[in-house]
Amino acid sequence: AQSVTQPDIHITVSEGASLELRCNYSYGATPYLFWYVQSPGQGLQLLLKYFSGDTLVQGIKGFEAEFKRSQSSFNLRKPSVHWSDAAEYFCAQLSNFGNEKLTFGTGTRLTIIP
Amino acid sequence: GAVVSQHPSWVICKSGTSVKIECRSLDFQATTMFWYRQFPKQSLMLMATSNEGSKATYEQGVEKDKFLINHASLTLSTLTVTSAHPEDSSFYICSADLAGVHEQFFGPGTRLTVL
Repeated sequence: AQSVTQPDIHITVSEGASLELRCNYSYGATPYLFWYVQSPGQGLQLLLKYFSGDTLVQGIKGFEAEFKRSQSSFNLRKPSVHWSDAAEYFCAQLSNFGNEKLTFGTGTRLTIIP
Repeated sequence: GAVVSQHPSWVICKSGTSVKIECRSLDFQATTMFWYRQFPKQSLMLMATSNEGSKATYEQGVEKDKFLINHASLTLSTLTVTSAHPEDSSFYICSADLAGVHEQFFGPGTRLTVL
């Protein structure tokens, strides 16, 4: 079955430091991949997505992600985090079976320390 | 564009009662809507896929008689939790699929607490 893995349950980063959140997808020659952010008690906001083309994808709020087929990874990065980036981050993959279902990773909770 | 709303944003009900949650696509027509359930500090679990004018497709382990889904129009899907029990307390999130875009747009979620 399709699966998405986010190895880090919780990450703590100092404000102003760089950030990388890891994501690995299970299979798919041409995966459709997404990163979402969720603030407490809120829905999901799309940060960025990758369908094809340039493997370095730019998103909102200064985030970017790099698709690496050889590593089955789609890691999210930000050069300098802000206190407002504290949230839960989910990586997701669109189903390869044409039913438009999303498979989510378990999420990474990001804490920002002053 | 591509805004999805949910109503109510939170609801508290007594055990044994039924609760209806609405999901609306405000500025687009959604042929497919999805319902997710999220427990505290956990990921989203897909409950069912809802297509306008047809029966919902439920994921394995989801009781279709307990979680009734109706998708009567291209902009509205409803989830009714029947005979709710405390274990049904959760955060319910819907999303709507924009045809041809391969992207789901999420509602803000509904917090259900069953006493």
